[in-house]
Amino acid sequence: QVQLKETGPGLVQPTQTLSITCTVSGFSLTSYYMQWVRQTPGKGLEWMGFIRSGGSTEYNSEFKSRLSISRDTSKNQVFLKMNSLKTEDTGVYYCARGNYGHWGQGVMVTVSS
Amino acid sequence: DVVLTQTPPTLSATIGQSVSISCRSSQSLLHSNGNTYLNWLLQRPGQPPQLLIYLVSRLESGVPNRFSGSGSGTDFTLKISGVEAEDLGVYYCVQSTHAPYTFGAGTKLELK
Repeated sequence: QVQLKETGPGLVQPTQTLSITCTVSGFSLTSYYMQWVRQTPGKGLEWMGFIRSGGSTEYNSEFKSRLSISRDTSKNQVFLKMNSLKTEDTGVYYCARGNYGHWGQGVMVTVSS
Repeated sequence: DVVLTQTPPTLSATIGQSVSISCRSSQSLLHSNGNTYLNWLLQRPGQPPQLLIYLVSRLESGVPNRFSGSGSGTDFTLKISGVEAEDLGVYYCVQSTHAPYTFGAGTKLELK
């Protein structure tokens, strides 16, 4: 069955870089686009960007200057990297398949010194 | 950016009651390809969101048919025909017609 699981650091210091991995099973990354969505106390659910089945990416301009989405199809993994973190980036980060049909459980990220 | 305004912010219902949630968009969600990319999600406490409705009115596989979606252009509605206890949580509309894709602020469905 389709499964998605995010793994990440939990706690990140301000100005540092966040790296989260979404590991998927039950389908191929070359057949579906993968989205990143976050949920913060301040802004609720926010679309961050996606990587298409062919590997090209689209980003929310809100994050574009500091966000990168990539993947390793051989490992069934999608990656999110965001630099210059601020306390307002604290929240739960989700990966989702396609048109939100499947979600990971999310990873809580706290930005604090 | 497209702003999605959901009303009401909170909805109190009894089991078996039928309820509706509105989602209004700041601009038309009709894509140039003829599709309208408006979905409805439910987030139960402590869980990720789950897809209920896509393309305005299409029921996601496995979702009970007491859920239905309607609307066009800028006005959309989710209806639950006979609320059940498992339906409690926060409902979100989300649009994928115009980048950046955006979510409504949510409607919390509670038991009266």
